[in-house]
Amino acid sequence: EDKVVQSPLSLVVHEGDTVTLNCSYEVTNFRSLLWYKQEKKAPTFLFMLTSSGIEKKSGRLSSILDKKELFSILNITATQTGDSAVYLCAVGFSSGTYKYIFGTGTRLKVLA
Amino acid sequence: GAVVSQHPSRVICKSGTSVKIECRSLDFQATTMFWYRQFPKQSLMLMATSNEGSKATYEQGVEKDKFLINHASLTLSTLTVTSAHPEDSSFYICSARIAGSNTGELFFGEGSRLTVL
Repeated sequence: EDKVVQSPLSLVVHEGDTVTLNCSYEVTNFRSLLWYKQEKKAPTFLFMLTSSGIEKKSGRLSSILDKKELFSILNITATQTGDSAVYLCAVGFSSGTYKYIFGTGTRLKVLA
Repeated sequence: GAVVSQHPSRVICKSGTSVKIECRSLDFQATTMFWYRQFPKQSLMLMATSNEGSKATYEQGVEKDKFLINHASLTLSTLTVTSAHPEDSSFYICSARIAGSNTGELFFGEGSRLTVL
């Protein structure tokens, strides 16, 4: 069965802390892994990863993929209250049709 | 960037009626669109993959007669919830991938919150 699992399910930290969110997957014909941030409505795109070992970076956020061990991490340094959101990991793969499935999400709360 | 428009953003209907939700890619062509359902405080559950000009591919456990999907053009997919019941109340969100993209980013609509009374 194709699946994407994220951990932890929820996390409470204080401003300035660094957090690491995890995403592991088991799918056939992996194509890409995407990270999204969801605050109220539609998820907003953070990163797309297709190759192992290449870190993607955007400001305080960074992400890396390990296709051998089938996981990715999303790091957020110097967290701010505005980082509070649900972080979703999605995996794109081919299984008859090309589709994307999402993990359970990690609910992050950053306290002032 | 690519924009996906979804409407209505919110709809309230009576039990037994049908509701249509539209998903449009505004500045790109999308041969494939995806429909997800999200329950409160849960992740996005893939309902079906909508393919332009052909039948949608439904995920296991999703009733195709209940959730009718039509993808009549390269920029429009519709989801019709037929004979809606209170248990169909949920947040429905569509997404699209740019035609020809092999590993491309998913672009999301703003979602539609359905409340069935």
